[in-house]
Amino acid sequence: DQQVKQNSPSLSVQEGRISILNCDYTNSMFDYFLWYKKYPAEGPTFLISISSIKDKNEDGRFTVFLNKSAKHLSLHIVPSQPGDSAVYFCAVNGGSNYKLTFGKGTLLTVNP
Amino acid sequence: GAVVSQHPSRVICKSGTSVKIECRSLDFQATTMFWYRQFPKQSLMLMATSNEGSKATYEQGVEKDKFLINHASLTLSTLTVTSAHPEDSSFYICSAIGGSTDTQYFGPGTRLTVL
Repeated sequence: DQQVKQNSPSLSVQEGRISILNCDYTNSMFDYFLWYKKYPAEGPTFLISISSIKDKNEDGRFTVFLNKSAKHLSLHIVPSQPGDSAVYFCAVNGGSNYKLTFGKGTLLTVNP
Repeated sequence: GAVVSQHPSRVICKSGTSVKIECRSLDFQATTMFWYRQFPKQSLMLMATSNEGSKATYEQGVEKDKFLINHASLTLSTLTVTSAHPEDSSFYICSAIGGSTDTQYFGPGTRLTVL
């Protein structure tokens, strides 16, 4: 049973528009949430994170929103750029052992 | 951000041989390292957690005698796939935590192909 779900396997967006990537989780004990970006045959690159005491965190073009009651988080990228095209993984951490549980990822394609 | 390297980036081996993959934290001391495996179009699956100087903790379903992990120093962890078989072919990725951050930083991954 998946604890972290990214229900959209792919998303296509026009350059300059907003990209919204979604992630749902099942365990309300999760308290730290991260987004990673991954290119083929490379390791994931950390993008942005948020702790459960916040509902929004912003870093440049990237903003993560957390809705604890809905157990839902989203990553907004605005404006989207062709270089943002990659697979985006949502990851959650639920304890002091730093172990992460990943979603299956969403392939974002930003068209010029 | 912190830099984590892996070596080799790609390895092809014959069935029955053993393969060692190294993971190094280049600019920080990694108190904890993690080993993941990713099959095509799948998520990253945690295999084991490695703490310097102690035995690795393996996730359910991961054979500790097949995937030997050694965290010999605060900057180096190794994963040895013993008696590799074609079904072990996968993308193996390590990550590390250390210093002043709880964020996991990932290595570039190692593509293992077992013939």
